[in-house]
Amino acid sequence: KQEVTQIPAALSVPEGENLVLNCSFTDSAIYNLQWFRQDPGKGLTSLLLIQSSQREQTSGRLNASLDKSSGRSTLYIAASQPGDSATYLCAPRAGKTSYDKVIFGPGTSLSVIP
Amino acid sequence: SQTIHQWPATLVQPVGSPLSLECTVEGTSNPNLYWYRQAAGRGLQLLFYSVGIGQISSEVPQNLSASRPQDRQFILSSKKLLLSDSGFYLCAWSVRENTGELFFGEGSRLTVL
Repeated sequence: KQEVTQIPAALSVPEGENLVLNCSFTDSAIYNLQWFRQDPGKGLTSLLLIQSSQREQTSGRLNASLDKSSGRSTLYIAASQPGDSATYLCAPRAGKTSYDKVIFGPGTSLSVIP
Repeated sequence: SQTIHQWPATLVQPVGSPLSLECTVEGTSNPNLYWYRQAAGRGLQLLFYSVGIGQISSEVPQNLSASRPQDRQFILSSKKLLLSDSGFYLCAWSVRENTGELFFGEGSRLTVL
């Protein structure tokens, strides 16, 4: 059974810092891994999707890497801004069909202080 | 572009009352549809998913049911709500035979009193 952990659970940094959020999963046989952002009381916004054959994906100040064999993914946020404050969740997917489960991590709550 | 709508955004219901949450997707056809629940202090739990009209799979036995009367419409229902049904309900969709990327709606906050 896939289990997903995220470290740290919470993080508070001053504006401008570069930071790394960590995601670990127990079953390395994944099809892809998705990173999401959730603002308080809102739905999830997709940030990046990494296929199992890829090592990393970039979107603006965000960079996500995937080491499938070790069961780890990291989300790197460059030059953090107060608007980055949110909860970040990682979600590995077991396979490409709708019957393959997406398991969500508990999230990292990020606060960027102006 | 594709959009997903959920309503109502907020709902306060007494124990034992019925429930109906709706979700519609626009700008795509034949999507996979999902209902998730996010309870306070807990992660996202998959409740139901659907690969087509009338095709519903349940992940967790519970007081809830789901229906898909149209290709882009997904409904979450209950005949009698329990206190434990309180939570944040999220609808999501993905394109079939594609990357499997999930897209979420804005969510519906249900409080059962």
